[in-house]
Amino acid sequence: DARVTQTPRHKVTEMGQEVTMRCQPILGHNTVFWYRQTMMQGLELLAYFRNRAPLDDSGMPKDRFSAEMPDATLATLKIQPSEPRDSAVYFCASGRDRGEQYFGPGTRLTVT
Amino acid sequence: QKEVEQNSGPLSVPEGAIASLNCTYSDRGSQSFFWYRQYSGKSPELIMSIYSNGDKEDGRFTAQLNKASQYVSLLIRDSQPSDSATYLCAVNKPNFGNEKLTFGTGTRLTIIP
Repeated sequence: DARVTQTPRHKVTEMGQEVTMRCQPILGHNTVFWYRQTMMQGLELLAYFRNRAPLDDSGMPKDRFSAEMPDATLATLKIQPSEPRDSAVYFCASGRDRGEQYFGPGTRLTVT
Repeated sequence: QKEVEQNSGPLSVPEGAIASLNCTYSDRGSQSFFWYRQYSGKSPELIMSIYSNGDKEDGRFTAQLNKASQYVSLLIRDSQPSDSATYLCAVNKPNFGNEKLTFGTGTRLTIIP
């Protein structure tokens, strides 16, 4: 049963610290997405990749967030420095041509 | 106008009845439409996709699409308590092919035993 995996599942950190979240997409999927979900804003797209190339990161605060895909099996989302307003659940999703996206379990981030 | 609009609910439906969830979208060029189910504290789970006008049935779920009215709906027949969740409608952004989706804010559904 192919699934998207994400690590860590939970992260508590202090303001100013670096946070790295990792995602392993489903084998064979060529698109990878990073979303953030909060009660106030709902599900927001931060960045996405096709065939490892970044296509759109317009939803991401550029000064502190960065997303990379060093190889086909790993996508990373980094926040440096982290702030309390970054507290949210971060989801990775992967997909193929017809637009269906499959979500990982998420990383619940708390910045104190 | 929001790109994808859903009634936030909560929508309460008696067990065994039909639950009807609605979604409207603003971009006439959209071609791909999806329904996701999200249980509290869990990730969104894809339950239906629909690409052409009409109905698509999968078990107790039926997705309905009307592109002329820019409207997509999800019907859940014989509702069960396990169907209690938030349902997210997602629509593709045409300038990004089928890949980039815009999500609605979701409708919270509660099935009353």
